[in-house]
Amino acid sequence: AQSVTQLGSHVSVSEGALVLLRCNYSSSVPPYLFWYVQYPNQGLQLLLKYTSAATLVKGINGFEAEFKKSETSFHLTKPSAHMSDAAEYFCAVSDQGRGRRALTFGSGTRLQVQP
Amino acid sequence: NAGVTQTPKFRVLKTGQSMTLLCAQDMNHEYMYWYRQDPGMGLRLIHYSVGEGTTAKGEVPDGYNVSRLKKQNFLLGLESAAPSQTSVYFCASRPPEAGRTKEQYFGPGTRLTVT
Repeated sequence: AQSVTQLGSHVSVSEGALVLLRCNYSSSVPPYLFWYVQYPNQGLQLLLKYTSAATLVKGINGFEAEFKKSETSFHLTKPSAHMSDAAEYFCAVSDQGRGRRALTFGSGTRLQVQP
Repeated sequence: NAGVTQTPKFRVLKTGQSMTLLCAQDMNHEYMYWYRQDPGMGLRLIHYSVGEGTTAKGEVPDGYNVSRLKKQNFLLGLESAAPSQTSVYFCASRPPEAGRTKEQYFGPGTRLTVT
């Protein structure tokens, strides 16, 4: 069975500071990994995805994530936080093999950006 | 394209009442999903469908039923609502297996309160 662990339910950074949101996964086969963002009272929007083509993945809004197999991690980073980055972020892993192709989500990390 | 839409956006039910949540997508996607989002728990899969006329249980199916009579619609029913079903419900859809596009596209959510 797959699982995703997001360390830190709340992260607070100052505007202009580095953003680091942690995600570790458990999977018996090479995973497909995703980061989604949820702004207040909205649905989930895809930030970026890892599908084995490259270990460093660039997404929208200046975010990127690095897949590290040895550490079973897929941490999300952004060099300089902006006020508009305040949101909840979810890491997810896709089912492997044929079948339902559902996503297993982490519990989420709420990012606060202080002026 | 409207993408994935959900109806209604908000609803308050009394214990024991029934209701149906409607999800519609105009992207011709085969796969559709219903998730519920609860604080600190991320999103959990309720039911899913891999094509018109087919449905299957996810991780938390108790108290819910679904139907997929048309490819573009996926209905989630609560026959006898309970306070434990107070949650935000998200519908998602996904293209078929072909190609490397494997992310899910999410609707804006339905906020349900059961009193």
